[in-house]
Amino acid sequence: DADVTQTPRNRITKTGKRIMLECSQTKGHDRMYWYRQDPGLGLRLIYYSFDVKDINKGEISDGYSVSRQAQAKFSLSLESAIPNQTALYFCATSAPGTSGSDEQFFGPGTRLTVL
Amino acid sequence: GNSVTQMEGPVTLSEEAFLTINCTYTATGYPSLFWYVQYPGEGLQLLLKATKADDKGSNKGFEATYRKETTSFHLEKGSVQVSDSAVYFCALSDRANTDKLIFGTGTRLQVFP
Repeated sequence: DADVTQTPRNRITKTGKRIMLECSQTKGHDRMYWYRQDPGLGLRLIYYSFDVKDINKGEISDGYSVSRQAQAKFSLSLESAIPNQTALYFCATSAPGTSGSDEQFFGPGTRLTVL
Repeated sequence: GNSVTQMEGPVTLSEEAFLTINCTYTATGYPSLFWYVQYPGEGLQLLLKATKADDKGSNKGFEATYRKETTSFHLEKGSVQVSDSAVYFCALSDRANTDKLIFGTGTRLQVFP
């Protein structure tokens, strides 16, 4: 079984709809992240959480919200989806290290299309 | 602020050709540097990393050396295979925020038989 899972894998929705993307992990990591990937722009950080009570905005948080329901679960919501939120969304996890070279582990991604 | 610049793709090569994908960075302090790879339909996975100047990261025949004097971390492989076709991302982590990664835009590699 995959260590980081995302549901759904694909979603098509309409402008104005509320959408929730879910991420679960079995790695036991405290830190979780949501990124979006757009062609030519790489990955950009939306939100991150260093533990259940710690939620932080990334560089492109407008139009998104998150919920850290448990150590293993981190959900991303689009309250009112718009077409420019069409993208590939990735969840990732990591654990604090001592070398300053912490690896992040990525889920398979959710492809979201907003019509 | 911190940033990563990668060469634009796609990079198209024949099997067994030599690969170089350029990556340069701008950062305050001494970041850790990474190469991630994304195979079609999958998430990103770590390919290799280096944590200090002159370190060489290596994995699956790929190598990259942390060059502080040129602020570079170029990815190389001596002989590519069709199975290496993927998108490659260079990234850095800020030591002050060790888990926040800053990614380059990605370089698509296409290897033909």
